Amino acid sequence: DVKVTQSSRYLVKRTGEKVFLECVQDMDHENMFWYRQDPGLGLRLIYFSYDVKMKEKGDIPEGYSVSREKKERFSLILESASTNQTSMYLCASIRKRGGSYNEQFFGPGTRLTVL
Amino acid sequence: LAKTTQPISMDSYEGQEVNITCSHNNIATNDYITWYQQFPSQGPRFIIQGYKTKVTNEVASLFIPADRKSSTLSLPRVSLSDTAVYYCLVGAGGFKTIFGAGTRLFVKA
Repeated sequence: DVKVTQSSRYLVKRTGEKVFLECVQDMDHENMFWYRQDPGLGLRLIYFSYDVKMKEKGDIPEGYSVSREKKERFSLILESASTNQTSMYLCASIRKRGGSYNEQFFGPGTRLTVL
Repeated sequence: LAKTTQPISMDSYEGQEVNITCSHNNIATNDYITWYQQFPSQGPRFIIQGYKTKVTNEVASLFIPADRKSSTLSLPRVSLSDTAVYYCLVGAGGFKTIFGAGTRLFVKA
């Protein structure tokens, strides 16, 4: 059974703190994604990675960075957390395959609150 | 990337068939149509995918007309546990996909 896990379900941080969100997948997928989800806005893509040490900006990368040192792990970093980064963060992965759209497998999400 | 438009919310009763329509006027030739389901406090889960005509699996059916400018997700005989947000996505390759606000389905007893 495929699995994407995230390091925390709930996290509370203070403004200005550096925050690390970890995502691990056990499916040997090449591609991994970080989204944030806010009420009424759906999921918005922050960053994605198509290979180890490779990354691409999504639609809202400002205030975030990512790290992909190993194939199975994709980290999202908030260098200096701000209150407007309070959100649900979702990690996903898909296998690299040409042709049809590929099913994304999502983790359970991390609800981050920045005070 | 093709933009999608779907209703913000829908209500239904247990046992009814629910049809959620998504419009995607700018769909490209190599785009597929995919639907996800999301329960509260969980990540989205793949339901069904299609390219044209009709696709059916154990969960839902997907109807796509010949012009592919819209699609309809059909959930037969919904139950309370089908209360969720349903997302329609259009794209190919999966690298940059757009999840809109989705359709919030509320199933009542």
